[in-house]
Amino acid sequence: DIQMTQSPSSLSASVGDRVTITCRASQSISNYLNWYQQKPGKAPNLLIFAASRLQSGVPFRFSGSGSGTGFSLTISSLQPEDFATYYCQQSYSAPWTFGQGTTVEIK
Amino acid sequence: QVQLVQSGAEVKKPGSSVRVSCKASGDTFSSYAFTWVRQAPGQGLEWMGRIIPILGTANYAQKFQGRVTINADKSTYTTYMELSSLRSDDTAVYFCARVYAGAQCDYFDYWGQGTLVTVSS
Repeated sequence: DIQMTQSPSSLSASVGDRVTITCRASQSISNYLNWYQQKPGKAPNLLIFAASRLQSGVPFRFSGSGSGTGFSLTISSLQPEDFATYYCQQSYSAPWTFGQGTTVEIK
Repeated sequence: QVQLVQSGAEVKKPGSSVRVSCKASGDTFSSYAFTWVRQAPGQGLEWMGRIIPILGTANYAQKFQGRVTINADKSTYTTYMELSSLRSDDTAVYFCARVYAGAQCDYFDYWGQGTLVTVSS
């Protein structure tokens, strides 16, 4: 199975901050990498697919980059509604696996 | 507008089985795969398996092999996830999601609201 490792596990930030979350795959997954946002008690919501493609309706302050084994999700200017948990997920090979999540908290 | 509506919360005894349903709206069922993901309390997301309704084929995460069955009823646009031999650590919220098979990458673009399954004696 491909292991996905996110860092950090949690972070504290202020509104307006630039935030970057990284995700590392245990083997090369090309660009088969997606990012999801999850708020408490809700289903995950797709933000980025294919490493860098913004899902329709997602604000432009979210961006993704990377390929191979290293990826990142950046929020250019953190907004109050962005405080949530973020997961990366690979769809390169089954079983499709998720990172352990990164919780973005209010500083 | 695509909607996935799941069945309601369940409380089950250890050793029993549970079946959770996920009904799709709109003209979304025949052309897509559907997947199931679970989330234990306070934990991350765990992929369980997927089904391609038009083919009737399913594949599962090794962890759940032999205990999980995912199937679909094309006439009602519904996919089902059945988990047997339940244990307390199967207590979780179970989500269904639509799988979009993109040119570059598969991803989960629509999700159900989640179904809490509690396993307790």
